[in-house]
Amino acid sequence: AQSVTQPDIHITVSEGASLELRCNYSYGATPYLFWYVQSPGQGLQLLLKYFSGDTLVQGIKGFEAEFKRSQSSFNLRKPSVHWSDAAEYFCAVGALRGNKLVFGAGTILRVKS
Amino acid sequence: DSGVTQTPKHLITATGQRVTLRCSPRSGDLSVYWYQQSLDQGLQFLIQYYNGEERAKGNILERFSAQQFPDLHSELNLSSLELGDSALYFCASSVEASGSAEQYFGPGTRLTVT
Repeated sequence: AQSVTQPDIHITVSEGASLELRCNYSYGATPYLFWYVQSPGQGLQLLLKYFSGDTLVQGIKGFEAEFKRSQSSFNLRKPSVHWSDAAEYFCAVGALRGNKLVFGAGTILRVKS
Repeated sequence: DSGVTQTPKHLITATGQRVTLRCSPRSGDLSVYWYQQSLDQGLQFLIQYYNGEERAKGNILERFSAQQFPDLHSELNLSSLELGDSALYFCASSVEASGSAEQYFGPGTRLTVT
C-alpha cells in the first residue's frame, strides 16, 4: 500500500530565505507524486507533479521538486520564500492502477519577516 | 478558483442527523472524488465516481454514501452523525480516473456536529 511521510510538522523560515520541505513515499512501483498547498480556509491547489522523465520538475509560484528514487523522496524547494507562501503543504502519491491520492500529514510553513 | 464548486460552505448540525453535501466538478471532468480532512486523521480518501459509476472506495463509513448524477454533479450523504464526523469535506475532480490524473479540489464544506 502507498504511504507518504512528511517528517516536519512545522517549519519557520525568514522571508527571502530558501525553503525545502521533505517528503518520503512508500510504493512498490513508479509512483505519481504531487505537491499541493492549502491556504487557511481554502481548498488544495496543485503546485506540481511528477510522472516520469526529468526528475526535477517545475511548478507554479516558483516551486520545484526533485524525485530521487534511491531515497524514495520528492522534496519541494523554493529559492526565496515570500510571506504569501505561508500555508500548509501536502505531498501526495497516486498509483497507476489506483484512483485515490494518499496524502502525507502536511507541513505548516510559517514565514517571518 | 479551481472550477470545482461545493455547497454549502459551512454546515452545523446535531448528532444523529443526516446531511447532504453537494459538489459540481470542473467542466469536462468525469471523475469526482470525496476526501475528509480532520485533525486526527489528516486527509483521507473516501470514494470516487467516474461518469456515474462508483470506481473506488476508501475509508468510507457505512453511514456515509455518495452518488454521481447524469449531469456529473455528486452528493455525499452522511447519516446518523456523530461528533467525530466533524471535519472538512473536500470534493475533487479530474478528467480521467487513473492515479496519474490531476485532481482539482473544491473549497470544501466544513461540517460541525454538535
